[in-house]
Amino acid sequence: GAGVSQTPSNKVTEKGKYVELRCDPISGHTALYWYRQSLGQGPEFLIYFQGTGAADDSGLPNDRFFAVRPEGSVSTLKIQRTERGDSAVYLCASSADRNTEAFFGQGTRLTVV
Amino acid sequence: GQQLNQSPQSMFIQEGEDVSMNCTSSSIFNTWLWYKQDPGEGPVLLIALYKAGELTSNGRLTAQFGITRKDSFLNISASIPSDVGIYFCAAQNSGGSNYKLTFGKGTLLTVNP
Repeated sequence: GAGVSQTPSNKVTEKGKYVELRCDPISGHTALYWYRQSLGQGPEFLIYFQGTGAADDSGLPNDRFFAVRPEGSVSTLKIQRTERGDSAVYLCASSADRNTEAFFGQGTRLTVV
Repeated sequence: GQQLNQSPQSMFIQEGEDVSMNCTSSSIFNTWLWYKQDPGEGPVLLIALYKAGELTSNGRLTAQFGITRKDSFLNISASIPSDVGIYFCAAQNSGGSNYKLTFGKGTLLTVNP
């Protein structure tokens, strides 16, 4: 596709469940980022991939959060034992490389009930 | 961590009026950016600033990178209804973590036709 695509658009899950959020970056973009946006806040950095490797995961809040990008394209953000505080919009972005403009997807709105 | 203080939090204006919003930080940044976010969408880059003192325009939008490198402002002239949305400032450091965006909390703009 032409832009960054995220699925699902919305996800409602019960507390304690496991969820996976998917990001399809712009074709050919080697850099991929995940951000989390809580209600009334700006996006906050979670993790940065360069190719297949997580070059910086310093923004992941705890070990319940994990992300992969096994083939250097699609990325999956995985959250174990979800908590109500995990409710937020999870944004994915990609860029041609780390020094160029990042383009954001529309986000996945996660609600933990 | 680093924080950006963005003001005002919200603005309600009449169509045709000019708008100004700003962002300050206690830390020095090497790149300042301004984004717009519509409901259900990811942020879209409006203007990027790379040099202290730089003044850049994009149509009715004008932004400046403060000479101290700790602040930036965005002006919108002759506002129109489609300017409605949330505007975010963001900033980046140079060097090893230059890919990471730090965002302000946003300014919600409402334009009354």
